[in-house]
Amino acid sequence: AQSVTQLGSHVSVSEGALVLLRCNYSSSVPPYLFWYVQYPNQGLQLLLKYTTGATLVKGINGFEAEFKKSETSFHLTKPSAHMSDAAEYFCAVSVGFAGGTSYGKLTFGQGTILTVHP
Amino acid sequence: DSGVTQTPKHLITATGQRVTLRCSPRSGDLSVYWYQQSLDQGLQFLIQYYNGEERAKGNILERFSAQQFPDLHSELNLSSLELGDSALYFCASSATQQNTEAFFGQGTRLTVV
Repeated sequence: AQSVTQLGSHVSVSEGALVLLRCNYSSSVPPYLFWYVQYPNQGLQLLLKYTTGATLVKGINGFEAEFKKSETSFHLTKPSAHMSDAAEYFCAVSVGFAGGTSYGKLTFGQGTILTVHP
Repeated sequence: DSGVTQTPKHLITATGQRVTLRCSPRSGDLSVYWYQQSLDQGLQFLIQYYNGEERAKGNILERFSAQQFPDLHSELNLSSLELGDSALYFCASSATQQNTEAFFGQGTRLTVV
């Protein structure tokens, strides 16, 4: 079975500061990894994903994440925070076909609420 | 706009009742997933369908059932509702069953009173 741990349920940064949201996963097979963002009263929007290939992946709105197998991590970063980045962020893992009956099931972390101060 | 449509957006019903939530996937997507989001449990996977067949099951209660129709839309049926079933229910879709990219709808907020 797979699991996701997001370190820090709340992260607060100043506008223009580095954003770092931490995610560690557990999976018995090579994972697919995702970051989603949820704005208040809205659905989840995919920010970026890692499936295979390059371990540094770039997403929308200037976010990027690096898959580190040795550390079982997939931390999300953005060099300079903007007020519009304030939202809740979810890290998720799936195991595709390798997961047998798990197929495309996404296992989510508990979420990190990002607050951006002026 | 993700292209995934969920109806209704809000639903208020009484305990013991039955409701049906509807989801239309993105055009061309064959896989549909249902998730429940609540404050205490977070985002929990309920069930996945692929091209009309059940593919994976998560923490879905026996009082809940789902199906995917030939036109690929899906319905989630919740019966004998309890206060604890109040949550946001999301539908997502992906092109394939192994989910390299899932797109989420806006959700249906269910309130059981």
